[in-house]
Amino acid sequence: GENVEQHPSTLSVQEGDSAVIKCTYSDSASNYFPWYKQELGKGPQLIIDIRSNVGEKKDQRIAVTLNKTAKHFSLHITETQPEDSAVYFCAASRGVGGSQGNLIFGKGTKLSVKP
Amino acid sequence: EADIYQTPRYLVIGTGKKITLECSQTMGHDKMYWYQQDPGMELHLIHYSYGVNSTEKGDLSSESTVSRIRTEHFPLTLESARPSHTSQYLCASSPRTSSYNEQFFGPGTRLTVL
Repeated sequence: GENVEQHPSTLSVQEGDSAVIKCTYSDSASNYFPWYKQELGKGPQLIIDIRSNVGEKKDQRIAVTLNKTAKHFSLHITETQPEDSAVYFCAASRGVGGSQGNLIFGKGTKLSVKP
Repeated sequence: EADIYQTPRYLVIGTGKKITLECSQTMGHDKMYWYQQDPGMELHLIHYSYGVNSTEKGDLSSESTVSRIRTEHFPLTLESARPSHTSQYLCASSPRTSSYNEQFFGPGTRLTVL
């Protein structure tokens, strides 16, 4: 079946450094790629998303890039802060079939930012 | 912040009990979802709904059932809870049924079955 692979599963950085999380997807019809941040005891929150007609999107310290040919997309966090510590999930939309539009999630990356 | 609510937030219950996890959203979203999140944090879709009177099974088989009688309400029921049902349950909603489904998540219910 369709899947999304996410790497790394854990990432530890020093405050102020950059963090990069990478995902690959298998459904060539996927056209929507959101990223979620989940803090302890809370539900996932959408932090940024990108659509298939765009190669890059930036929102302050967060950016996402998409390479449709290679079926890769990545999250970049610059100038990391301790409050960036959380679990991050990438996702890709299902392209066809009865569950079209549903999201396929990666397994998550636990990011730790050390002061 | 999205207006989607889940109750209870935490539930500890004995084996064999019937439970209902509540999920409500005030955004008028058509589509709603239930996910099960395992200790490794992976999210598994167990149910979803396109709208009133619509329910579909997700990617992960689940003994739970759902109903959608009102747009804003999507409860999940376990007729007879077992320890294997212990998990975090997350409800989500999205504003349209086509692609670009921005899903908004509730805070989750942590269920423990003894």
